[in-house]
Amino acid sequence: DVKVTQSSRYLVKRTGEKVFLECVQDMDHENMFWYRQDPGLGLRLIYFSYDVKMKEKGDIPEGYSVSREKKERFSLILESASTNQTSMYLCATSPRDGYTFGSGTRLTVV
Amino acid sequence: DQQVKQNSPSLSVQEGRISILNCDYTNSMFDYFLWYKKYPAEGPTFLISISSIKDKNEDGRFTVFLNKSAKHLSLHIVPSQPGDSAVYFCAARADSGSNYKLTFGKGTLLTVNP
Repeated sequence: DVKVTQSSRYLVKRTGEKVFLECVQDMDHENMFWYRQDPGLGLRLIYFSYDVKMKEKGDIPEGYSVSREKKERFSLILESASTNQTSMYLCATSPRDGYTFGSGTRLTVV
Repeated sequence: DQQVKQNSPSLSVQEGRISILNCDYTNSMFDYFLWYKKYPAEGPTFLISISSIKDKNEDGRFTVFLNKSAKHLSLHIVPSQPGDSAVYFCAARADSGSNYKLTFGKGTLLTVNP
């Protein structure tokens, strides 16, 4: 089974901090994705990557950046955390048949 | 512009009865559709999928129906069980040149009452 590991289940950060969310997959998949989930808004795509050092903006990239230096690791960076970035963040990798998600990181920005 | 729509934010059914979750899409390039189930504080898990060349796919208690002309799909759960209580997301993909990127609906919270 594909395993997608997100380094933290819960995080609390202060406004203005730089925040790193890490995601590691063990199946050598090219495609990796970062989503956020908010009540009433569903899953919204922030960024995705289809190869090492390649990235593309999703639907809501503002305030975020990403890094993919190795195939197995895809990092989401909040350059200067704000309270409206309080959310559940979900990383996913994509074999042919659909995504496998990590367990999610619940980020609270205070 | 929402390309995948789940118009019912919530649904409540009795244990043992049928649950029907609906999903509409607007992008005619979508040709592969998936349903995911999500419990609180966990990542979504894949449930069932259907290709646009089919109109029905069944896996145990779960059946997905696709009506391409209406751009509509539905997920049927029979019989519903309390453990099915979760948020269900419909997702769609255009296979050509998409890097397998999925577009999700907003989700439907299903509650199955004992």
